[in-house]
Amino acid sequence: AQTVTQSQPEMSVQEAETVTLSCTYDTSENNYYLFWYKQPPSRQMILVIRQEAYKQQNATENRFSVNFQKAAKSFSLKISDSQLGDTAMYFCAFMKAQAGNNRKLIWGLGTSLAVNP
Amino acid sequence: GAVVSQHPSRVICKSGTSVKIECRSLDFQATTMFWYRQFPKQSLMLMATSNEGSKATYEQGVEKDKFLINHASLTLSTLTVTSAHPEDSSFYICSANEGVSNQPQHFGDGTRLSIL
Repeated sequence: AQTVTQSQPEMSVQEAETVTLSCTYDTSENNYYLFWYKQPPSRQMILVIRQEAYKQQNATENRFSVNFQKAAKSFSLKISDSQLGDTAMYFCAFMKAQAGNNRKLIWGLGTSLAVNP
Repeated sequence: GAVVSQHPSRVICKSGTSVKIECRSLDFQATTMFWYRQFPKQSLMLMATSNEGSKATYEQGVEKDKFLINHASLTLSTLTVTSAHPEDSSFYICSANEGVSNQPQHFGDGTRLSIL
């Protein structure tokens, strides 16, 4: 069975600084997807970034980037130039690559990030 | 982009009431939808997988008779909390996959259920 571990329940960062959220996972699959979702106080689930396991290049989306280490099964999220609006819960999630719609997400417990002015 | 609409966003009702929550995929067909429950400051807990035209698949420990799921069309799944009690108060979120395997799940905005 797959598992996702986020070892940092809470983190804080000063506005404009950089912060890294850690995520490790365990799987015997070779092909899969990894995601970071953001859940602000409004509780909407917002996709931040995703990574296909077969791609060696780390995904980036503006101020958000990942450090994907497949051998180490590590998938950390780096937020650069942190903004107050980045304050949220961040969840790391794993999904097997398989055909069809029945593709479950396996979730980490989340990291609560506070960006301080 | 793909959108999932969840309704209602907030429900407050008396103990013993049954509450229905709808989850619609607005611009794509979803043969499978997922229902989650989330307690404050915790992760999402998958309750069940809703399958169009067939029975839902429930996760271990989730009461099928308490949480009724119906997925009668390719764009609508409903979760009915039957005879709700205060311990059923929670945040419920649905999600759906588009047909293509590399697309991420799309989430509804959630329903905050409060049972008095």
